[in-house]
Amino acid sequence: DVKVTQSSRYLVKRTGEKVFLECVQDMDHENMFWYRQDPGLGLRLIYFSYDVKMKEKGDIPEGYSVSREKKERFSLILESASTNQTSMYLCASSLYYTDTQYFGPGTRLTVL
Amino acid sequence: AQSVAQPEDQVNVAEGNPLTVKCTYSVSGNPYLFWYVQYPNRGLQFLLKYITGDNLVKGSYGFEAEFNKSQTSFHLKKPSALVSDSALYFCAVRDIGDTGNQFYFGTGTSLTVIP
Repeated sequence: DVKVTQSSRYLVKRTGEKVFLECVQDMDHENMFWYRQDPGLGLRLIYFSYDVKMKEKGDIPEGYSVSREKKERFSLILESASTNQTSMYLCASSLYYTDTQYFGPGTRLTVL
Repeated sequence: AQSVAQPEDQVNVAEGNPLTVKCTYSVSGNPYLFWYVQYPNRGLQFLLKYITGDNLVKGSYGFEAEFNKSQTSFHLKKPSALVSDSALYFCAVRDIGDTGNQFYFGTGTSLTVIP
């Protein structure tokens, strides 16, 4: 079974802090994704990566950056957290970019 | 542009009755279509997908979905609902011919199965 883990289930940060969300997958998947989930808006893609050190912007990249130094690990970085970044963040991975995505449990981030 | 719509925010159904969760999509070419389920405080879990072939796709937990190209729909169905099916359901689409890597998700439908 594919396993995608995220470093924290719940996180509380203050405005202006730098925030790191970590995601690790154990199935040697090429592709990894970061989404945010908000009520009534569904899932929106922030960034994805199709290889180590490769990344592409999704629909809402503003205020975020990502890092993929190793194949199994994909990090989402909030350079200066703001209250409108309070959300559920979901990481996913897939073997092929057209294939089923496997999701982590999510990190619920609250920015005060 | 690709998009997917789930017209119902909330669906209620009695236990034992058939259930349907609706999804319509818009792509310029041929679609890949997926259904995912999310239980409270959990990530999304894959239910089923349509890539090509038989229009009726069977998936996990007794769910199935029918691809209808003329109506651009991919409705999720189950013959007999269980209380444990209560969850948030997401439809997702990708255009096969799209050179980008994005899937587009609907806004989700909350299913409540009433005992």
